[in-house]
Amino acid sequence: DADVTQTPRNRITKTGKRIMLECSQTKGHDRMYWYRQDPGLGLRLIYYSFDVKDINKGEISDGYSVSRQAQAKFSLSLESAIPNQTALYFCATSGTDLPAGANVLTFGAGSRLTVL
Amino acid sequence: AQKITQTQPGMFVQEKEAVTLDCTYDTSDPSYGLFWYKQPSSGEMIFLIYQGSYDQQNATEGRYSLNFQKARKSANLVISASQLGDSAMYFCAMREGSGSARQLTFGSGTQLTVLP
Repeated sequence: DADVTQTPRNRITKTGKRIMLECSQTKGHDRMYWYRQDPGLGLRLIYYSFDVKDINKGEISDGYSVSRQAQAKFSLSLESAIPNQTALYFCATSGTDLPAGANVLTFGAGSRLTVL
Repeated sequence: AQKITQTQPGMFVQEKEAVTLDCTYDTSDPSYGLFWYKQPSSGEMIFLIYQGSYDQQNATEGRYSLNFQKARKSANLVISASQLGDSAMYFCAMREGSGSARQLTFGSGTQLTVLP
């Protein structure tokens, strides 16, 4: 099994629908992140969490919410999806892996969301 | 201003040759980290190499090396002896400040194609 698992891997939905993307990890990492990837823009941070009681907005949090249900689970919600939220979404984790102090991100496989 | 700039949207290299992917960064923080990630066509993000701003030597990981020129604020990725499997999108990223509280900022990526 993958260290970081995202579900669903692909989702097509309609404008105005509520969507939840889920992420679970077996790395034992405290820190979890949600990123969005758009062509030509790289990855942009939506939300991040350093533990169950810590949630922080990233660069592009508008239109999104998150829930850290447990150390291993971090979900991203789109309360009312719109077409410009069509993108590839990545969950990532980080901990104390080598190299020391680097805070290297381990990514899930991605969730491709299409909003019609 | 862009914090991470990758000026090469696409690059081609002949198999077995070396290739350099450019990355320049912008920060006023003396403590920072630089990362390179690989994204194959399958979509996952794979960590390649890390360079800390205080590291005295350029980072190397197998066929990957990071040409770190601090004064020029550049962190180019060098791939030696290119293989067909190196064809992928490559992202440069930076974490400003020390500790895990600082987040990664990604460049827009370079699509590398290795020709047989």
